[in-house]
Amino acid sequence: QSALTQPASVSGSPGQSITISCTGTSRDVGGFDYVSWYQHHPGKAPQLMIYDVSSRPSGVSPRFSASRSGDTASLTISGLQAEDEADYYCFSYTRSNTWVFGGGTRLTVL
Amino acid sequence: QVQLVESGGGVVQPGRSLRLSCAASGFTVTRYGMHWVRQAPGKGLEWVSSVGYNGDNLHYADSVKGRFTISRDTSKNTLYLQMNSLRAEDTAVYYCARDFTEHWTIDYWGRGTPVTVS
Repeated sequence: QSALTQPASVSGSPGQSITISCTGTSRDVGGFDYVSWYQHHPGKAPQLMIYDVSSRPSGVSPRFSASRSGDTASLTISGLQAEDEADYYCFSYTRSNTWVFGGGTRLTVL
Repeated sequence: QVQLVESGGGVVQPGRSLRLSCAASGFTVTRYGMHWVRQAPGKGLEWVSSVGYNGDNLHYADSVKGRFTISRDTSKNTLYLQMNSLRAEDTAVYYCARDFTEHWTIDYWGRGTPVTVS
């Protein structure tokens, strides 16, 4: 149950786009269409931003999009805004009937 | 309106036990799977345990298997996490969360309850 691999930090200026990667294995990210992404502001409850690899819950801005290639999933945020500054986590169901998070990525909006 | 409110956290000595509760409202726990997730200080989120909507299909992270037990009381619409043989590395904020049915992820989270093992 090793954590999925995410970059520790990414940054971008307002209006720019950034992409956060999430690398797993064929037992998790690459094996199921059940990869999701969460935005987490410290002290608050995490918010679901993406589910089923690339689907957006109602109410989530279309500036958030996601995809997957092989064992690596990616979250892209376009038109960066100050309120996007937060921690982002990928999350995947696994072949062991468990779930695993990525290590988390701190997004800084410059 | 879906709400999840955790309670029961606190400071406990290594080797002792603690039981966390999660009161659910706005939905019935018998119709949804539920999860516990934790976040240690300065660390990322870690999935801990889950229970299926029917009360079966209990699953645990290797780090807590054999020490933690997830359960629910349908009459109280409440989820529990019984934590035994606590270790310093179990220190974290513990979140209760609802399973997003058929999507194998989490849609709603509580605000968390802190546990310190020291």
